[in-house]
Amino acid sequence: QQQVKQSPQSLIVQKGGISIINCAYENTAFDYFPWYQQFPGKGPALLIAIRPDVSEKKEGRFTISFNKSAKQFSLHIMDSQPGDSATYFCAASRSSGNTPLVFGKGTRLSVIA
Amino acid sequence: ETGVTQSPTHLIKTRGQQVTLRCSSQSGHNTVSWYQQALGQGPQFIFQYYREEENGRGNFPPRFSGLQFPNYSSELNVNALELDDSALYLCASSLAGALSYNEQFFGPGTRLTVL
Repeated sequence: QQQVKQSPQSLIVQKGGISIINCAYENTAFDYFPWYQQFPGKGPALLIAIRPDVSEKKEGRFTISFNKSAKQFSLHIMDSQPGDSATYFCAASRSSGNTPLVFGKGTRLSVIA
Repeated sequence: ETGVTQSPTHLIKTRGQQVTLRCSSQSGHNTVSWYQQALGQGPQFIFQYYREEENGRGNFPPRFSGLQFPNYSSELNVNALELDDSALYLCASSLAGALSYNEQFFGPGTRLTVL
């Protein structure tokens, strides 16, 4: 019930293309879904997050799509750039109180010119 | 506003030893969570401290323990180190409150190698 499943494990995208990473969760009590970006040797950096009262959230080139009935959410990176090459983690938790984040296993994105 | 800082950056220990890792929270944050990230995996929750008390614990044995200080900084202690404890240890700070939405901000981590 605590799992968050993330796919694909790795992704190669041409510069200017769209990167899409998918996640699925099991615990219906989860209502906070952040995405983190991690570069080698660094800690995860909060990229964008969504709560289930909306189906989509966009910040610049990054968009989260959320499907509550399917218990799935995805990250879209538009106009992908080589600087976006990193490992991306989806996570889920309850938004109220201090609750731990449950992370997916990560997607290693490589954007090639 | 300062971000989350952790020390040391890297650490090498031998099996059976003890280690202490340190974390300074982001300014204004009152909650610290510790995560273990094995190579190629997502972070796994160890425990959380709020108002100097442990406020939740993941599936980690008691030899993993922690402290939070009045200035909201924190320590993670691991006793009787095992080879499988080799990982990146991440500290995340957050602000508990009605409007915080559980936003957690991570430090750069401490890379622990157990030989």
